[in-house]
Amino acid sequence: LAKTTQPISMDSYEGQEVNITCSHNNIATNDYITWYQQFPSQGPRFIIQGYKTKVTNEVASLFIPADRKSSTLSLPRVSLSDTAVYYCLVGDWTGANNLFFGTGTRLTVIP
Amino acid sequence: DAGVIQSPRHEVTEMGQEVTLRCKPISGHDYLFWYRQTMMRGLELLIYFNNNVPIDDSGMPEDRFSAKMPNASFSTLKIQPSEPRDSAVYFCASSYLAQETQYFGPGTRLLVL
Repeated sequence: LAKTTQPISMDSYEGQEVNITCSHNNIATNDYITWYQQFPSQGPRFIIQGYKTKVTNEVASLFIPADRKSSTLSLPRVSLSDTAVYYCLVGDWTGANNLFFGTGTRLTVIP
Repeated sequence: DAGVIQSPRHEVTEMGQEVTLRCKPISGHDYLFWYRQTMMRGLELLIYFNNNVPIDDSGMPEDRFSAKMPNASFSTLKIQPSEPRDSAVYFCASSYLAQETQYFGPGTRLLVL
């Protein structure tokens, strides 16, 4: 089971770029990396998913080094509305058995 | 589509009572997941179904918990008897494939007194 390790919390000022790193040393060949965002009193919401190198969408970028033992979620120019908990998940293609959310990283954006 | 629908949104009950949580997944999704979230343990996967069949229930805490999916559009999570330590937010999620994006419902906030 490829569990993940993330910082418990981070603070950032509005307008800054935020990078949240997740460690997954035991990631397997078939595992992919997914990030979710959760606002208070809501369910988690998908942000981005990748397997290797870099993935970018309208919300964030995901950087995955060649060894895939870590990944970094990058949020450009954060705003107060980006205050949320961010979860890094590692799971394989064969099923949902290995999806583990953990406690995530609580990002607080400061005015 | 209205997204994943859960009911009730809030539930307050007394210890020993039976609690039933309900979920309607997104139409066409083959996978349904039940999660529990607490401050101490974060978001935990309890059980998931594929095409209405339970695939992995290793996350179900004990025999007091049971889940069913009688058809593709409905699932229940039952706790009998309930205990104060069951107090948590219970989320239902669905996805088209196991490894694809999961869409979460708004959750049911359960308080067992």
